[in-house]
Amino acid sequence: SQQGEEDPQALSIQEGENATMNCSYKTSINNLQWYRQNSGRGLVHLILIRSNEREKHSGRLRVTLDTSKKSSSLLITASRAADTASYFCARGSNYKLTFGKGTLLTVNP
Amino acid sequence: GAGVSQSPSNKVTEKGKDVELRCDPISGHTALYWYRQSLGQGLEFLIYFQGNSAPDKSGLPSDRFSAERTGGSVSTLTIQRTQQEDSAVYLCASSFGGEETQYFGPGTRLLVL
Repeated sequence: SQQGEEDPQALSIQEGENATMNCSYKTSINNLQWYRQNSGRGLVHLILIRSNEREKHSGRLRVTLDTSKKSSSLLITASRAADTASYFCARGSNYKLTFGKGTLLTVNP
Repeated sequence: GAGVSQSPSNKVTEKGKDVELRCDPISGHTALYWYRQSLGQGLEFLIYFQGNSAPDKSGLPSDRFSAERTGGSVSTLTIQRTQQEDSAVYLCASSFGGEETQYFGPGTRLLVL
């Protein structure tokens, strides 16, 4: 079954705005990874956050993890048209990644 | 350095034929994974190789699917007697270890007619 469900399924914003995507999961994790995918092909790794971490930053990206609520969020600040893509969270447990269905982000110029 | 590479990029085959998909992981990565992405099922784990350990084949959907990893590097995913429901993008990933960042290749898009 799918775990690591993203919310919303689709998000449309204007360039310059911030985008927030959320991810929930059901069972324990070792880590949670966020990926971006353009045009249905290769996945680009964005951030890995471990279960004992609460927040990580990478450039315009900020990821939070709340293990008590079994949820994570990805914030993209000052969005650009090039950020348009599908974003997936993946629950890492026993080396396997279990993906959610993704959030389709559209950034309008 | 070079990322994960996969070949072919696209494969069209007829129902009932066998196909082989190849993955070259990042040099030095001991772990290699295969996933499948289809419209109906999203991204699914298929199989995991770690060093010389026995692979975890728990995600393979049927006995028509098999994979091997030769010399701890290149991996081949074989689908025998392909069916239309096998149509999907097959993604390979590699990592330094089992709980580390997984780096994905561009995928092979398989279409079974």
